[in-house]
Amino acid sequence: GAGVSQSPRYKVAKRGQDVALRCDPISGHVSLFWYQQALGQGPEFLTYFQNEAQLDKSGLPSDRFFAERPEGSVSTLKIQRTQQEDSAVYLCASSFAQGNGNQPQHFGDGTRLSIL
Amino acid sequence: AQSVTQLGSHVSVSEGALVLLRCNYSSSVPPYLFWYVQYPNQGLQLLLKYTTGATLVKGINGFEAEFKKSETSFHLTKPSAHMSDAAEYFCAADSTLTFGKGTMLLVSP
Repeated sequence: GAGVSQSPRYKVAKRGQDVALRCDPISGHVSLFWYQQALGQGPEFLTYFQNEAQLDKSGLPSDRFFAERPEGSVSTLKIQRTQQEDSAVYLCASSFAQGNGNQPQHFGDGTRLSIL
Repeated sequence: AQSVTQLGSHVSVSEGALVLLRCNYSSSVPPYLFWYVQYPNQGLQLLLKYTTGATLVKGINGFEAEFKKSETSFHLTKPSAHMSDAAEYFCAADSTLTFGKGTMLLVSP
C-alpha cells in the first residue's frame, strides 16, 4: 500500500538482547518521526529525521536507543541491551513537510515490543 | 516545553448523543494543534488540525474542533455519536507532536 509500513508488527525479545525495528515511510516524505507509546499512554516523541539528517534526538530515553536513516528513506530504530521498561509500541510517522508542523504526520501501525 | 492535557481518560456516551472530548495546551504562543484517533492495534489517524486562520476546524467522520486562544483549549466535538466512533482519541501540539494521554470514547447502543 501507500501508507507507512512498519516491521515487524510484533517482537518478543529476552532482556539483554538487541532489537531492530524498521520503518518504510510514504514515498517522497521528507520528515520521519519515531514515537514510543507505553500501555495506556499517549505516544512520546523519540527522534526526528529530515531526509538522512537526524535533527532532533532529544526524546531518546538512553544511549541504548539509536536511530538511523542512511539514505533518507527507510529508517531503523535499534535498542541495545533491552530492558523490561522498553516494552511498548513503537510508532513511526512520516510527513511531506520539512518539519514545519503545518503538514500532518502519517502513522504506521506500530511495532509492539515485549521484553521478557 | 509544550504540554497537552486531556480531561477524562474515559468518556461514555449513548449512540446519537453529543460527543465532547476536552483538550488544553500550555503554550502562550498558539501552537499547531491536532486530533488523532487510534483504533485497537492500529496507528494513529488524523481527524483534523489547526494551524492558522479559521478557529473552527472541520475534520473527517463528522468531527470538528474549535481553537479558543483565551481558554487555551481545542475541544473535539461531534453532534451525534456512532458505534464506530468508539476508539481512543489523542490531542497533540506542535511539529514534533506532544500528545495528551488520550481519552477512550465508549459508545453504548
